[in-house]
Amino acid sequence: RKEVEQDPGPFNVPEGATVAFNCTYSNSASQSFFWYRQDCRKEPKLLMSVYSSGNEDGRFTAQLNRASQYISLLIRDSKLSDSATYLCVVNIGQTGANNLFFGTGTRLTVIP
Amino acid sequence: DAGVTQSPTHLIKTRGQQVTLRCSPKSGHDTVSWYQQALGQGPQFIFQYYEEEERQRGNFPDRFSGHQFPNYSSELNVNALLLGDSALYLCASSWGGDSYEQYFGPGTRLTVT
Repeated sequence: RKEVEQDPGPFNVPEGATVAFNCTYSNSASQSFFWYRQDCRKEPKLLMSVYSSGNEDGRFTAQLNRASQYISLLIRDSKLSDSATYLCVVNIGQTGANNLFFGTGTRLTVIP
Repeated sequence: DAGVTQSPTHLIKTRGQQVTLRCSPKSGHDTVSWYQQALGQGPQFIFQYYEEEERQRGNFPDRFSGHQFPNYSSELNVNALLLGDSALYLCASSWGGDSYEQYFGPGTRLTVT
Protein backbone atom coordinates (compact mmCIF):
# COMPACT_ATOMS: atom_id res chain seq x y z
CA ARG A 1 0.00 0.00 0.00
CA LYS A 2 1.33 3.45 -0.89
CA GLU A 3 2.15 5.85 1.93
CA VAL A 4 0.08 8.61 0.32
CA GLU A 5 -2.80 8.15 -2.12
CA GLN A 6 -4.49 10.77 -4.25
CA ASP A 7 -7.01 10.81 -7.05
CA PRO A 8 -4.82 11.64 -10.07
CA GLY A 9 -7.65 13.43 -11.86
CA PRO A 10 -7.55 15.24 -14.17
CA PHE A 11 -9.96 17.82 -12.84
CA ASN A 12 -11.17 20.25 -15.50
CA VAL A 13 -13.14 23.14 -13.99
CA PRO A 14 -14.37 26.52 -15.28
CA GLU A 15 -12.96 29.76 -13.95
CA GLY A 16 -14.65 30.77 -10.72
CA ALA A 17 -15.52 27.22 -9.70
CA THR A 18 -14.73 25.65 -6.35
CA VAL A 19 -12.73 22.44 -6.47
CA ALA A 20 -11.66 20.03 -3.72
CA PHE A 21 -8.83 17.51 -3.66
CA ASN A 22 -8.56 14.64 -1.22
CA CYS A 23 -5.70 12.55 -0.01
CA THR A 24 -5.25 9.66 2.42
CA TYR A 25 -2.11 8.50 4.20
CA SER A 26 -1.33 5.10 5.66
CA ASN A 27 1.14 5.78 8.48
CA SER A 28 -0.58 6.91 11.68
CA ALA A 29 2.81 8.13 12.97
CA SER A 30 2.93 10.81 10.29
CA GLN A 31 3.94 14.09 11.83
CA SER A 32 3.31 16.89 9.40
CA PHE A 33 1.41 17.46 6.23
CA PHE A 34 1.66 19.73 3.23
CA TRP A 35 0.24 20.58 -0.14
CA TYR A 36 2.78 21.31 -2.85
CA ARG A 37 2.07 22.70 -6.29
CA GLN A 38 4.00 21.56 -9.35
CA ASP A 39 3.73 23.29 -12.72
CA CYS A 40 4.53 21.36 -15.88
CA ARG A 41 8.24 20.48 -16.06
CA LYS A 42 9.01 22.56 -12.97
CA GLU A 43 9.98 21.72 -9.41
CA PRO A 44 7.40 21.30 -6.62
CA LYS A 45 6.75 24.42 -4.58
CA LEU A 46 5.23 24.53 -1.12
CA LEU A 47 1.64 25.77 -1.29
CA MET A 48 0.69 25.42 2.36
CA SER A 49 1.16 23.38 5.47
CA VAL A 50 -1.84 21.54 6.87
CA TYR A 51 -2.78 21.74 10.54
CA SER A 52 -5.29 19.78 12.60
CA SER A 53 -7.30 22.94 13.24
CA GLY A 54 -7.51 23.63 9.52
CA ASN A 55 -5.91 26.61 7.87
CA GLU A 56 -6.76 29.09 5.17
CA ASP A 57 -4.61 31.17 2.85
CA GLY A 58 -6.69 33.41 0.63
CA ARG A 59 -8.71 31.21 -1.71
CA PHE A 60 -7.07 28.02 -0.41
CA THR A 61 -8.25 26.02 2.60
CA ALA A 62 -6.55 22.90 3.92
CA GLN A 63 -7.99 20.42 6.39
CA LEU A 64 -6.52 17.46 8.27
CA ASN A 65 -8.44 14.62 9.89
CA ARG A 66 -5.98 12.54 11.90
CA ALA A 67 -8.58 9.99 12.97
CA SER A 68 -9.43 9.19 9.34
CA GLN A 69 -5.88 9.87 8.07
CA TYR A 70 -7.32 12.20 5.49
CA ILE A 71 -6.17 15.54 4.09
CA SER A 72 -8.06 17.92 1.83
CA LEU A 73 -7.44 21.07 -0.18
CA LEU A 74 -10.24 23.40 -1.26
CA ILE A 75 -9.71 26.05 -3.92
CA ARG A 76 -12.40 28.70 -4.22
CA ASP A 77 -12.96 31.04 -7.18
CA SER A 78 -10.52 29.13 -9.42
CA LYS A 79 -8.18 31.17 -11.61
CA LEU A 80 -6.52 30.12 -14.86
CA SER A 81 -3.20 30.42 -13.01
CA ASP A 82 -4.30 27.68 -10.59
CA SER A 83 -3.80 25.11 -13.37
CA ALA A 84 -1.09 22.77 -12.08
CA THR A 85 -0.56 19.43 -10.37
CA TYR A 86 -1.26 19.46 -6.63
CA LEU A 87 0.83 17.06 -4.56
CA CYS A 88 -0.27 15.80 -1.16
CA VAL A 89 2.80 15.36 1.05
CA VAL A 90 3.32 13.66 4.39
CA ASN A 91 6.37 13.79 6.62
CA ILE A 92 7.12 10.51 8.38
CA GLY A 93 10.54 11.57 9.58
CA GLN A 94 12.34 10.70 12.77
CA THR A 95 12.88 13.36 15.40
CA GLY A 96 15.35 15.88 14.04
CA ALA A 97 15.18 14.35 10.61
CA ASN A 98 12.67 14.78 7.87
CA ASN A 99 11.74 13.15 4.64
CA LEU A 100 8.67 13.65 2.59
CA PHE A 101 6.34 11.10 1.03
CA PHE A 102 4.52 12.43 -2.01
CA GLY A 103 1.29 11.34 -3.58
CA THR A 104 1.21 10.98 -7.35
CA GLY A 105 -0.48 14.36 -7.61
CA THR A 106 -3.86 15.59 -8.82
CA ARG A 107 -3.85 17.49 -12.06
CA LEU A 108 -6.09 20.58 -12.26
CA THR A 109 -6.93 22.49 -15.42
CA VAL A 110 -8.97 25.67 -15.06
CA ILE A 111 -10.84 26.45 -18.27
CA PRO A 112 -11.71 29.99 -19.43
CA ASP B 1 18.88 35.14 -1.36
CA ALA B 2 19.87 32.31 -3.71
CA GLY B 3 17.52 29.40 -3.86
CA VAL B 4 18.41 25.76 -4.42
CA THR B 5 20.51 25.26 -7.53
CA GLN B 6 21.23 22.04 -9.42
CA SER B 7 23.53 21.08 -12.26
CA PRO B 8 23.42 20.02 -14.96
CA THR B 9 19.94 20.84 -16.20
CA HIS B 10 19.79 17.94 -18.63
CA LEU B 11 21.92 14.88 -19.11
CA ILE B 12 21.92 11.97 -21.54
CA LYS B 13 23.79 8.77 -20.65
CA THR B 14 23.89 5.22 -21.91
CA ARG B 15 23.15 2.05 -19.97
CA GLY B 16 25.97 0.94 -17.71
CA GLN B 17 27.50 4.39 -17.37
CA GLN B 18 27.86 6.37 -14.18
CA VAL B 19 26.49 9.86 -13.49
CA THR B 20 27.06 12.57 -10.88
CA LEU B 21 24.47 15.25 -10.16
CA ARG B 22 25.13 18.32 -8.04
CA CYS B 23 23.11 20.49 -5.69
CA SER B 24 23.71 23.68 -3.73
CA PRO B 25 21.20 24.30 -0.93
CA LYS B 26 19.33 27.48 -0.22
CA SER B 27 21.32 29.97 1.82
CA GLY B 28 21.07 29.13 5.54
CA HIS B 29 20.04 25.51 4.96
CA ASP B 30 22.22 22.62 6.09
CA THR B 31 20.22 19.55 5.03
CA VAL B 32 19.91 18.17 1.52
CA SER B 33 17.43 15.54 0.35
CA TRP B 34 17.36 13.88 -3.05
CA TYR B 35 14.26 12.67 -4.87
CA GLN B 36 13.59 10.81 -8.10
CA GLN B 37 10.47 11.77 -10.07
CA ALA B 38 9.43 9.51 -12.91
CA LEU B 39 7.02 10.83 -15.51
CA GLY B 40 3.47 11.04 -14.14
CA GLN B 41 4.54 10.16 -10.61
CA GLY B 42 5.22 12.09 -7.44
CA PRO B 43 8.81 12.47 -6.24
CA GLN B 44 10.26 9.42 -4.47
CA PHE B 45 12.68 9.93 -1.58
CA ILE B 46 16.20 8.62 -2.26
CA PHE B 47 18.21 9.82 0.77
CA GLN B 48 18.97 12.77 2.98
CA TYR B 49 22.31 14.25 4.04
CA TYR B 50 22.97 16.20 7.19
CA GLU B 51 26.34 17.06 8.74
CA GLU B 52 28.05 15.30 5.83
CA GLU B 53 26.41 11.97 6.66
CA GLU B 54 23.51 10.04 5.17
CA ARG B 55 20.79 10.41 7.78
CA GLN B 56 17.91 8.58 6.12
CA ARG B 57 17.49 6.47 3.03
CA GLY B 58 14.52 5.47 0.94
CA ASN B 59 13.99 2.24 -0.97
CA PHE B 60 16.73 2.66 -3.56
CA PRO B 61 19.57 0.22 -4.39
CA ASP B 62 23.20 0.77 -3.46
CA ARG B 63 23.86 1.96 -7.02
CA PHE B 64 22.57 5.27 -5.68
CA SER B 65 25.06 6.97 -3.41
CA GLY B 66 25.74 10.48 -2.29
CA HIS B 67 27.95 12.90 -0.52
CA GLN B 68 27.65 16.15 1.34
CA PHE B 69 30.49 18.66 1.52
CA PRO B 70 31.42 21.01 4.40
CA ASN B 71 29.70 23.89 2.57
CA TYR B 72 26.46 21.79 2.65
CA SER B 73 26.40 21.21 -1.11
CA SER B 74 25.73 17.66 -2.19
CA GLU B 75 26.25 15.16 -4.98
CA LEU B 76 24.15 12.23 -6.10
CA ASN B 77 25.97 9.41 -7.87
CA VAL B 78 24.28 6.64 -9.80
CA ASN B 79 26.35 3.68 -11.03
CA ALA B 80 25.54 1.08 -13.68
CA LEU B 81 22.71 3.13 -15.13
CA LEU B 82 19.52 1.36 -16.19
CA LEU B 83 16.87 2.59 -18.60
CA GLY B 84 14.52 2.83 -15.61
CA ASP B 85 16.77 5.44 -14.02
CA SER B 86 15.52 7.98 -16.55
CA ALA B 87 13.73 10.60 -14.47
CA LEU B 88 13.82 14.10 -13.04
CA TYR B 89 16.17 14.18 -10.07
CA LEU B 90 15.22 16.80 -7.53
CA CYS B 91 17.28 18.18 -4.71
CA ALA B 92 15.55 19.80 -1.74
CA SER B 93 17.12 21.73 1.09
CA SER B 94 15.95 22.45 4.60
CA TRP B 95 17.29 23.39 7.98
CA GLY B 96 18.11 20.39 10.14
CA GLY B 97 16.40 21.76 13.22
CA ASP B 98 12.65 21.73 13.63
CA SER B 99 11.66 22.84 10.15
CA TYR B 100 10.02 20.20 7.98
CA GLU B 101 9.57 22.50 5.02
CA GLN B 102 11.78 21.64 2.10
CA TYR B 103 12.62 23.87 -0.84
CA PHE B 104 13.24 22.24 -4.19
CA GLY B 105 15.72 23.01 -6.92
CA PRO B 106 14.73 22.97 -10.61
CA GLY B 107 15.96 19.41 -11.03
CA THR B 108 18.22 17.51 -13.40
CA ARG B 109 16.48 15.60 -16.16
CA LEU B 110 18.41 12.38 -16.79
CA THR B 111 17.76 10.29 -19.87
CA VAL B 112 19.33 6.85 -20.11
CA THR B 113 19.44 5.32 -23.60
